[in-house]
Amino acid sequence: DIQMTQSPTSLAASVGESVTITCLASEDIYGSLVWYQQKPGKSPQLLIYGATILEDGIPSRFSGSGSDTQYSLKINSLQPEDFASYYCQNGLSTPRTFGGGTKLELK
Amino acid sequence: QVKLLQSGAALVKPGASVKMSCKASGYTFTDYWVSWVKQSHGKSLEWIGEIYPNSGATNFNEKFKGKATLTVDKSTSTAYMELSRLTSEDSAIYYCTRGDYYSSYLYVMDAWGQGASVTVSS
Repeated sequence: DIQMTQSPTSLAASVGESVTITCLASEDIYGSLVWYQQKPGKSPQLLIYGATILEDGIPSRFSGSGSDTQYSLKINSLQPEDFASYYCQNGLSTPRTFGGGTKLELK
Repeated sequence: QVKLLQSGAALVKPGASVKMSCKASGYTFTDYWVSWVKQSHGKSLEWIGEIYPNSGATNFNEKFKGKATLTVDKSTSTAYMELSRLTSEDSAIYYCTRGDYYSSYLYVMDAWGQGASVTVSS
């Protein structure tokens, strides 16, 4: 199974700041990396797929990068609605493994 | 628009089974996979398995083989997951998702149901 390791597990930031979340795959996933956002009490929502492609309707302050085993999600100019949990997912193979999640909190 | 409407919360006794539903609308049900994902309280997401409604083909996380059974009713565009021999470890929120291969090597869960809470308690 491909293990997905996210860091940090939690992160405190202020509105207007930029943050970066990283996701490390235990083996090369060839860019098949997906990011989801989950707000408290809600279902996860697709943010980015293919490591860098923004889902329709997602603000451009979100961006993804990376290749091979290392991937990042960057959020520029944090907005109040961005404080949520973020998960990466191995999109290459089954089992479809997720990272442990990063909880982004308001400082 | 794409919607996945899940059945409501369930309180079940240890050792029992529970069957939950996921009714799809807004797209051709048989053209996409349905994946099921578990989220224990405050924890991360865990993929249980997936089913392709058109053929009934399934793939499972080894951890959930023998625990979860996936079926579909194409006539009502509804997917089902049954969990058996329930223990407290099965208490969680379960999501159904629409899964799609955006390319040969990229599987994306691009729509999620609202979640169904299962509580296992005597």
